[in-house]
Amino acid sequence: ELKVEQNPLFLSMQEGKNYTIYCNYSTTSDRLYWYRQDPGKSLESLFVLLSNGAVKQEGRLMASLDTKARLSTLHITAAVHDLSATYFCAVDNNNDMRFGAGTRLTVKP
Amino acid sequence: EAGVVQSPRYKIIEKKQPVAFWCNPISGHNTLYWYRQNLGQGPELLIRYENEEAVDDSQLPKDRFSAERLKGVDSTLKIQPAELGDSAVYLCASSSWAGPQPYNEQFFGPGTRLTVL
Repeated sequence: ELKVEQNPLFLSMQEGKNYTIYCNYSTTSDRLYWYRQDPGKSLESLFVLLSNGAVKQEGRLMASLDTKARLSTLHITAAVHDLSATYFCAVDNNNDMRFGAGTRLTVKP
Repeated sequence: EAGVVQSPRYKIIEKKQPVAFWCNPISGHNTLYWYRQNLGQGPELLIRYENEEAVDDSQLPKDRFSAERLKGVDSTLKIQPAELGDSAVYLCASSSWAGPQPYNEQFFGPGTRLTVL
């Protein structure tokens, strides 16, 4: 059974600092997604990673995928308050999408 | 372009009562998903439709949950009777394999927050 684990589950960081969220998954897959969810809102797609070594960047967020290690990372550079949200990774295994538990990020001034 | 529409946004019911959620996917999206998201967790798939056919309902508790997608567009998810443990956010998503992209990006609706008392 496909399992997806994220860590940390909770992350409190100061504005301007850098940090990385990790997403490990248990079976072979070459489609990994990162979503953002604000409180009371739905999931917003951030990145789609399709192959080993894929790297995508948008603003202060950069996502990468290592299919051999079954690991994706979401790196936050110089965090700002607007990035406070819950971030989910999700792995697509033959159209069976499994989500991690999410990382609740709080960026403090 | 309109996104995935869900209603109601909030629902409070007493246990043993029935409840229904409605979803209108993005126009042209042939795949529709229902997820349940418990507090502090990621979404978990309940059922997936390809057009009007349920192709994956292995996680749907069939003793009390039912779903339908008539005409391959709108969908309804029903719980009867509801239990305390059904309190969660029910998310609908849609996707389409049509187009040049080699992946199946899902677009989510705002969800229905169900509270069972």
